[in-house]
Amino acid sequence: EVQLVESGGGLVQPGGSLRLSCAASGFTFTTYWMTWVRQAPGKGLEWVANIKQDGSEKSYVGSVKGRFTISRDNAKNSLYLQMSSLRAEDTAVYFCVRGQVANLYWGQGTLVTVSS
Amino acid sequence: QSALTQPPSASGSPGQSVTISCTGTSSDVGGYNYVSWFQQHPGKVPKLLIYEVTKRPSGVPDRFSGSKSGNTASLTVSGLQAEDEADYYCNSYAGSSNVIFGGGTKLTVL
Repeated sequence: EVQLVESGGGLVQPGGSLRLSCAASGFTFTTYWMTWVRQAPGKGLEWVANIKQDGSEKSYVGSVKGRFTISRDNAKNSLYLQMSSLRAEDTAVYFCVRGQVANLYWGQGTLVTVSS
Repeated sequence: QSALTQPPSASGSPGQSVTISCTGTSSDVGGYNYVSWFQQHPGKVPKLLIYEVTKRPSGVPDRFSGSKSGNTASLTVSGLQAEDEADYYCNSYAGSSNVIFGGGTKLTVL
């Protein structure tokens, strides 16, 4: 059974940092692109970043470039999102998602709240 | 990079068909056959309905179908059922490893 379990969310002050993790299991992690998607409260889905199987290619939505860094540890079947210089508009549930576009498997999400 | 354009709302009666559009540009929807559709019920995780424009994952009823013409992709839900009431999102590959989502459409079953 495919499982994606996010952790690391919480309350952080504007300008602060947070690192999200995603533990993957039930599939061969090294054969899939991995993606972070977020959803602000009451809003739609927004693609945040993705990373190629071997970590050699990464891409980000414009609003997080230079502030967020996506990475993966294939030995640990884990995906990460390092977030810095956080803003109120980054408040959202962050989903760990398998694949690049055809996203069949999603984690349950972890809530990040940026507020003073 | 603006979101793909979806109508904010759509509606239909049980048994009817409804089509939701997803309009982009030649740099995303029109340029690649990598359009997916997702269904999201309140408080739930999005569910993949359609990928690569027309393909359905195992277990998705054939009442859900996808198509594309030019820069616009469409999701058609046939034989509407009460459980189809949900939010629907499209996404598309947009080149250089980028992906873009639509703004979402709230489907109401009357």
